[in-house]
Amino acid sequence: KAGVTQTPRYLIKTRGQQVTLSCSPISGHRSVSWYQQTPGQGLQFLFEYFSETQRNKGNFPGRFSGRQFSNSRSEMNVSTLELGDSALYLCASSLAPTGGPYEQYFGPGTRLTVT
Amino acid sequence: QQPVQSPQAVILREGEDAVINCSSSKALYSVHWYRQKHGEAPVFLMILLKGGEQKGHEKISASFNEKKQQSSLYLTASQLSYSGTYFCGTESNTGNQFYFGTGTSLTVIP
Repeated sequence: KAGVTQTPRYLIKTRGQQVTLSCSPISGHRSVSWYQQTPGQGLQFLFEYFSETQRNKGNFPGRFSGRQFSNSRSEMNVSTLELGDSALYLCASSLAPTGGPYEQYFGPGTRLTVT
Repeated sequence: QQPVQSPQAVILREGEDAVINCSSSKALYSVHWYRQKHGEAPVFLMILLKGGEQKGHEKISASFNEKKQQSSLYLTASQLSYSGTYFCGTESNTGNQFYFGTGTSLTVIP
């Protein structure tokens, strides 16, 4: 069974630009969550999608948005990039909505550098 | 709402034991534990559901005290492969909210 895949793996952008990251969950998984990871900040929750609906959203500005398609693939978009957006962006998939008895499977992440 | 983990960092010698704690300000329904090795994605360890159960996974086990809104991860007879950052993830009783903790860096040295 293929794992969670994320593309691209590395990205360098300039302040003010926008970026779209993609995540393909494990086959059969309907929940996709996105996290931002920076040194010293741990895993900051961005949002979760389940069956094409945003189920939860973390405390991030509106520049961060996402969506999920009918095949459960998900994209996240960051507009008007700032230097502070430089981070590792991880997505995780799960059979059901995050929590309860269902574990999350993480992708390798997309390393975004904003210059 | 982010659970707090303690200690922030710990260094052990092979064979020593360690305890990592995870505390939440909210009543919890479930606690998840993950380990992330340097440069890799987090990997699932175990889940504990409301009910105060304890679970084990080889020499790594965990407990969940729902009254205290706490969970503890126990690593016994640590091995070099245990090195990494450990995260707890908590889901509140009200549901729809899942947050990872602040993380605990664990280093096992020979």
